[in-house]
Amino acid sequence: AQTVTQSQPEMSVQEAETVTLSCTYDTSESDYYLFWYKQPPSRQMILVIRQEAYKQQNATENRFSVNFQKAAKSFSLKISDSQLGDAAMYFCAYKRDNLFFGTGTRLTVIP
Amino acid sequence: DAGVIQSPRHEVTEMGQEVTLRCKPISGHDYLFWYRQTMMRGLELLIYFNNNVPIDDSGMPEDRFSAKMPNASFSTLKIQPSEPRDSAVYFCASSLAARHEAFFGQGTRLTVV
Repeated sequence: AQTVTQSQPEMSVQEAETVTLSCTYDTSESDYYLFWYKQPPSRQMILVIRQEAYKQQNATENRFSVNFQKAAKSFSLKISDSQLGDAAMYFCAYKRDNLFFGTGTRLTVIP
Repeated sequence: DAGVIQSPRHEVTEMGQEVTLRCKPISGHDYLFWYRQTMMRGLELLIYFNNNVPIDDSGMPEDRFSAKMPNASFSTLKIQPSEPRDSAVYFCASSLAARHEAFFGQGTRLTVV
């Protein structure tokens, strides 16, 4: 069965600095998708970034980028120039047909 | 498109009562997911549908829980009878295809007293 592990329950970052959130997953499949979702206090689940497993190039979306290591089954999220609005729970997710989530990392941004 | 629409946003009910949560997926999406979120257990996948057919319901915690998708634009999650431990936020999400991202509704906060 697929599992997604986020080993950092909480992280903090100074405003304007860079932070990296970790995620590992377990699968026997070769074709799948990986996502990072953000959940602010409003509880809305917001897609941050996606990565197709068949693509070697790491995905980027403005200040957000990933480090995808397929062999190591690792999928970390880097947030550059952190802003107060980045404070939220961040969930790593694996999708093939089903969609599995990690336990989340609570990110605090310090002014 | 209005996105995934869930109703109600909040529900407070007494133990033993039947609760029905509703979801309207994004038009054209053929996958629909139901999740439960709690502090203790995080985001748990309860069941998902493909083309209105339940594919995997192994996450449904007990027989008290049931889900239906009578057509492509509507799904329900029913709890009968409800118990205090069912208190959680329930999310519905839909995706265009198996390997596309899922879009979430606003969630229903259920409180069973």
